[in-house]
Amino acid sequence: DQQVKQNSPSLSVQEGRISILNCDYTNSMFDYFLWYKKYPAEGPTFLISISSIKDKNEDGRFTVFLNKSAKHLSLHIVPSQPGDSAVYFCAAKNSGNQFYFGTGTSLTVIP
Amino acid sequence: KAGVTQTPRYLIKTRGQQVTLSCSPISGHRSVSWYQQTPGQGLQFLFEYFSETQRNKGNFPGRFSGRQFSNSRSEMNVSTLELGDSALYLCASSLDIYEQYFGPGTRLTVT
Repeated sequence: DQQVKQNSPSLSVQEGRISILNCDYTNSMFDYFLWYKKYPAEGPTFLISISSIKDKNEDGRFTVFLNKSAKHLSLHIVPSQPGDSAVYFCAAKNSGNQFYFGTGTSLTVIP
Repeated sequence: KAGVTQTPRYLIKTRGQQVTLSCSPISGHRSVSWYQQTPGQGLQFLFEYFSETQRNKGNFPGRFSGRQFSNSRSEMNVSTLELGDSALYLCASSLDIYEQYFGPGTRLTVT
């Protein structure tokens, strides 16, 4: 049973525009959410995170939004750059410190 | 600081065999987690070790086991391999529970 879902397997965006990656979850007890970025032949690298007590966290070009009532998480990248092309995974942590990952969204930023 | 290393990077095994994968965490990290990544399922949590003790376990059959040594290095073993065990196996180490650092993974192919 997939508790964290990324329904868009791929996304293409023009360089300089905004990239919005979405993630939905089913477990209202998740208390921490993260986004990871993965290049081919490398492991995922941590990008940004947000606690369930917040609704927004910003780090440079990356902003994560959390809508707890909708059980929805999104990652905004502004402006998008070709180097941002990668697979993005969202993840959620429960109180037992187990992490659940989505299936990933492959972002392509077109120069 | 050296990152998480995993050996071997690639492995081909035959159905019914067993396999052992190794993970060396970042120096000072005492928590090591293992994940299985397959195209349709994303990253799925296998187990987490902290100070040589299994602290968390995902929903995988008993054929999947692991251990952690006193130097925090960890091994994962899969016995009686099945075709469906073909996947990328990722190891992640962490200092605290919130941010995990992933290795490049071991690509296991079962024929």
